[in-house]
Amino acid sequence: GAGVSQTPSNKVTEKGKYVELRCDPISGHTALYWYRQSLGQGPEFLIYFQGTGAADDSGLPNDRFFAVRPEGSVSTLKIQRTERGDSAVYLCASSLVAGGRTDTQYFGPGTRLTVL
Amino acid sequence: DQQVKQNSPSLSVQEGRISILNCDYTNSMFDYFLWYKKYPAEGPTFLISISSIKDKNEDGRFTVFLNKSAKHLSLHIVPSQPGDSAVYFCAALTGGFKTIFGAGTRLFVKA
Repeated sequence: GAGVSQTPSNKVTEKGKYVELRCDPISGHTALYWYRQSLGQGPEFLIYFQGTGAADDSGLPNDRFFAVRPEGSVSTLKIQRTERGDSAVYLCASSLVAGGRTDTQYFGPGTRLTVL
Repeated sequence: DQQVKQNSPSLSVQEGRISILNCDYTNSMFDYFLWYKKYPAEGPTFLISISSIKDKNEDGRFTVFLNKSAKHLSLHIVPSQPGDSAVYFCAALTGGFKTIFGAGTRLFVKA
């Protein structure tokens, strides 16, 4: 079956602009996660959704970052007033049910964001 | 403050030999550990996991060892194959859904 998909695969923007990154999880997966991976680092947790609600957004770096999942499926990560330090690969993952400890997270290929 | 540390950025191993990737952690509240494998331009893929109540878990060529007193875990790949060449991430959970990743180790398996 189809895996997690993310669009666009690459996004180049200018400092100060607004961007939206989209994630399509595996059908039927109720849990959805966003991570950010900077060069030479591992993925860094940003936010976790269980269904439509953000169960934990403690990883969002500041209020320029926001994510939604209005129908409990597709999610959009929104970044306002982008800064050069926001440049990274943004990864999305989904898992079948909440829990994390035993539920395998399936990752998408990521969106590479470059802020000039 | 890195709670999960992979101190070797890269490792090179001959095909057929054992690959040993190491990981150290600082948070004693971690109760579940995972290894992920990542190829270029792809997302990480789950490889193997271990609960803190165990000290070993094996799946085919992959074995994870956990030493809680030393706050250390390792991934053994035997025998190593060229297709195993990838970046390997160690990760940990504190009892919920927030996964903390290490910086990764790039494994090169030479044919």
